[in-house]
Amino acid sequence: QQQVRQSPQSLTVWEGETAILNCSYEDSTFNYFPWYQQFPGEGPALLISIRSVSDKKEDGRFTIFFNKREKKLSLHITDSQPGDSATYFCAAIPGNNRIFFGDGTQLVVKP
Amino acid sequence: GPKVLQIPSHQIIDMGQMVTLNCDPVSNHLYFYWYKQILGQQMEFLVNFYNGKVMEKSKLFKDQFSVERPDGSYFTLKIQPTALEDSAVYFCASSLEQHTGQLYFGEGSKLTVL
Repeated sequence: QQQVRQSPQSLTVWEGETAILNCSYEDSTFNYFPWYQQFPGEGPALLISIRSVSDKKEDGRFTIFFNKREKKLSLHITDSQPGDSATYFCAAIPGNNRIFFGDGTQLVVKP
Repeated sequence: GPKVLQIPSHQIIDMGQMVTLNCDPVSNHLYFYWYKQILGQQMEFLVNFYNGKVMEKSKLFKDQFSVERPDGSYFTLKIQPTALEDSAVYFCASSLEQHTGQLYFGEGSKLTVL
């Protein structure tokens, strides 16, 4: 059973637009949600994260919105830049050390 | 930032052969991980390792797989014998603490089994 789901699978936006990447999870014990950014040929890198006690986390152009009741979260990238083109993984941690990754959203930002 | 180094970056071997993937984790990190990724898709957890022991492993961590970190050197993933379905990119990661999700990943070792 897929523990973490992401949508859409791929997303194309124009430079300057806001990209919205969605994530949902199954297990209510998940309490920490990191987002990883992966460029081709590289390993994933931690981008931004949120704990389940918060409903919003902002870091520059990147914002996570979290809805605990619906078990959903989203990553908003405002003023998208071509350099933001990458695959974004939503992940979830239930409190032990095992991270569950979603399938990723491939973002393309067109200039 | 902190770097995790992986060697080799790409290896091609024949089915049935043994392969060892090497990882040089961030120097003061204590927890080590291997993940498997196929076609740039989902990161599949294989195993995590702490204080010389496997802490947890997934169903993907078959009997043919083993990990070790002898004398604090490279953290290695050995597959013996390899199968066609082992073709993937293997990512090593390390972290200083548990429960933080702050994993630092290497650039991956692409394994092609023919």
